[in-house]
Amino acid sequence: QKEVEQNSGPLSVPEGAIASLNCTYSDRVSQSFFWYRQYSGKSPELIMSIYSNGDKEDGRFTAQLNKASQYVSLLIRDSQPSDSATYLCAGVNTDKLIFGTGTRLQVFP
Amino acid sequence: SQTIHQWPATLVQPVGSPLSLECTVEGTSNPNLYWYRQAAGRGLQLLFYSVGIGQISSEVPQNLSASRPQDRQFILSSKKLLLSDSGFYLCAWDSGSGNTIYFGEGSWLTVV
Repeated sequence: QKEVEQNSGPLSVPEGAIASLNCTYSDRVSQSFFWYRQYSGKSPELIMSIYSNGDKEDGRFTAQLNKASQYVSLLIRDSQPSDSATYLCAGVNTDKLIFGTGTRLQVFP
Repeated sequence: SQTIHQWPATLVQPVGSPLSLECTVEGTSNPNLYWYRQAAGRGLQLLFYSVGIGQISSEVPQNLSASRPQDRQFILSSKKLLLSDSGFYLCAWDSGSGNTIYFGEGSWLTVV
């Protein structure tokens, strides 16, 4: 099993809908989890971090962590075309941040 | 506030030529520094990380090397580039293990 796994997508949602992005991780990954957004040709930028079980909300974004099931998710409410990007999930393994391959999100008008 | 810069932004190099990418961080001291590579359509691959001056850990065998001559400077090098070295190279830093990583603008390398 890869340390951090994501479905590559694309995930297509209409404008205004909720986009749900999921990520699973192996036993080798623990502690902290991060969601990054990467526009085509650009470097990743941090959206949110989450360290504890449960939900964490920041504006239109909600991160969810379930350590028992070993998954992390990112919900984007009221999706906008400008949210179209690749979303990278990352977790910590022995002090290093390990990234999934990313899920491409397409929000269509 | 902290900033990270890397250069050059884009370069096209022939096979067998040398490479030097440079990265500097400002506004912090003793950061952890990282070099990642992202091949077309692929995920981020950790190449090197450094927890201090002269301390370099390599994650994957390759013809690349890294050096940290100063606390906030990180350099990625190669003596002879291969076609497979093409990709998007990202320098990154954080303030300690488990903390948020921040990326530089990235360097696009095309080996021809």
